[in-house]
Amino acid sequence: DGGITQSPKYLFRKEGQNVTLSCEQNLNHDAMYWYRQDPGQGLRLIYYSQIVNDFQKGDIAEGYSVSREKKESFPLTVTSAQKNPTAFYLCASSRSRRYGYTFGSGTRLTVV
Amino acid sequence: AQTVTQSQPEMSVQEAETVTLSCTYDTSENNYYLFWYKQPPSRQMILVIRQEAYKQQNATENRFSVNFQKAAKSFSLKISDSQLGDTAMYFCAFIPGGKLIFGQGTELSVKP
Repeated sequence: DGGITQSPKYLFRKEGQNVTLSCEQNLNHDAMYWYRQDPGQGLRLIYYSQIVNDFQKGDIAEGYSVSREKKESFPLTVTSAQKNPTAFYLCASSRSRRYGYTFGSGTRLTVV
Repeated sequence: AQTVTQSQPEMSVQEAETVTLSCTYDTSENNYYLFWYKQPPSRQMILVIRQEAYKQQNATENRFSVNFQKAAKSFSLKISDSQLGDTAMYFCAFIPGGKLIFGQGTELSVKP
C-alpha cells in the first residue's frame, strides 16, 4: 500500500546535538511538507518542497534544515540552534491541493 | 492574513447524538479548498471530508457533513450518530494558495 513512513517514532536528543527525522513516501507526490505540533496548538509549517532540489521556508523554519534530493524523501534536521525542539513532528505529501495532504504517523522528539 | 479559527477548544457529545464543530477562516482568495482532519489518540492525521470553494453543494461522507457558507467564510462539521471512535481532535484547514493552514483544533469527546 502507498503511504508515508516517518522514522523513528520516538527520538531523544541531547542538548547541542543535531538530529535528523526521516520521511519517505511512495505515493509519487511532488510536494512534501514538515509540520510541528505542540500541545494545545494547531500544526505549524516548518519547510515545504514542491519539486526535487527545491524547498521553501515555512512559518517557523529557524533552527531547522531540509533537503530534497529524491522525490520520495524529505528529511528534516533539527539543529542545535532550535532552542525548544521538544514537539511532535508530522510529515505530509500532496499530489494536488484539491485533495489535501496525506500525513505520516509522526515522530515525537524529546530533548533530554 | 490567511487564518483559520476554531472557537470551541473542547466539546462533548453523547453516543448516537449529533454534534457540530465550528470553523471560520479568512482569505481574500476566491478559489480554495477546505478540509476537516481527525487526529485520534494515535496522533495519525486522517482526512474526514473536503469541500471545494467553487461548489455550492455541501460535501457529505457517511455520518459526516459540512455546512459551507462562502460569504460568511464559515465551514462547520456535523457528525451524526456519534460513535465512541469519533473521540479525537478535529482540525479545520484550508488551502488558499499552496500551503495547508490549520486551525487550533477542537477536542471532541464522545461519551457512552
